[in-house]
Amino acid sequence: GESVGLHLPTLSVQEGDNSIINCAYSNSASDYFIWYKQESGKGPQFIIDIRSNMDKRQGQRVTVLLNKTVKHLSLQIAATQPGDSAVYFCAENYSSASKIIFGSGTRLSIRP
Amino acid sequence: DGGITQSPKYLFRKEGQNVTLSCEQNLNHDAMYWYRQDPGQGLRLIYYSQIVNDFQKGDIAEGYSVSREKKESFPLTVTSAQKNPTAFYLCASSTASGTSAIWAYNEQFFGPGTRLTVL
Repeated sequence: GESVGLHLPTLSVQEGDNSIINCAYSNSASDYFIWYKQESGKGPQFIIDIRSNMDKRQGQRVTVLLNKTVKHLSLQIAATQPGDSAVYFCAENYSSASKIIFGSGTRLSIRP
Repeated sequence: DGGITQSPKYLFRKEGQNVTLSCEQNLNHDAMYWYRQDPGQGLRLIYYSQIVNDFQKGDIAEGYSVSREKKESFPLTVTSAQKNPTAFYLCASSTASGTSAIWAYNEQFFGPGTRLTVL
C-alpha cells in the first residue's frame, strides 16, 4: 500500500505486505528529517532519521528514502504487522528556523 | 516513555481558569519542548528551552507560559488568555549542543501526553 503526501490521512494494508508512507516537504533548506510513530493516546516515538547528505537509510524493518530533487520523503515498513498500526509523522528541520516542523500524519491500519 | 513523565494524564478546566501541566525528565537532557496536538493534526511548538533559566516562544505561544528553574522540569501553564485550550499536550526533551541549528538534529524523546479539556 502507498499513501500520497500528507493529504491522504489513512493507509490500509494487508498484514504481511509492505507499507509505504510518503511525505512531501516544502523547504529546500531542510537538511534533517525524522519519522515518528504515534500510537493512540501516547506520545510519538522516534523511528528513524536521515540527513540531507544521504538518500537512503535502513533500520530494523524500516527504510527511509529521501529525494531532495522533488522534496520527497518516504517510510517503508517491511512485512507490516498489527503492532505497526499507528499514526506516522514526518518532521523536517528548517536550518534557518532551528526547529523541527511536524507534518499532519498518516494513519496506518492493518487488515488481517 | 523514555524517562519523561507528564501529569496528569487527563485534566479538566473551567473557562477562565489557569492550569499547569507538569513535565519531568531524568534523561539529563538540556533541551525541553512543549507541543500542542489537535485531532488529525501534527504537532505545533508552543515553547522550548535549551538551558535552565532560558526559554523561547514557539509558533503558538500566545496564551501559554513556561518556566525552567530546574534542568529536569519544564512546566507549562495554560492561561485564561488561551481561547481554545482543549487539546493533547506533549512534552519532549533532547540533548542540546553547539549552535541553535545543531540542537534540532538531536532525537526528541516524548512524554505520554496530557489531554486537557475545557468545560
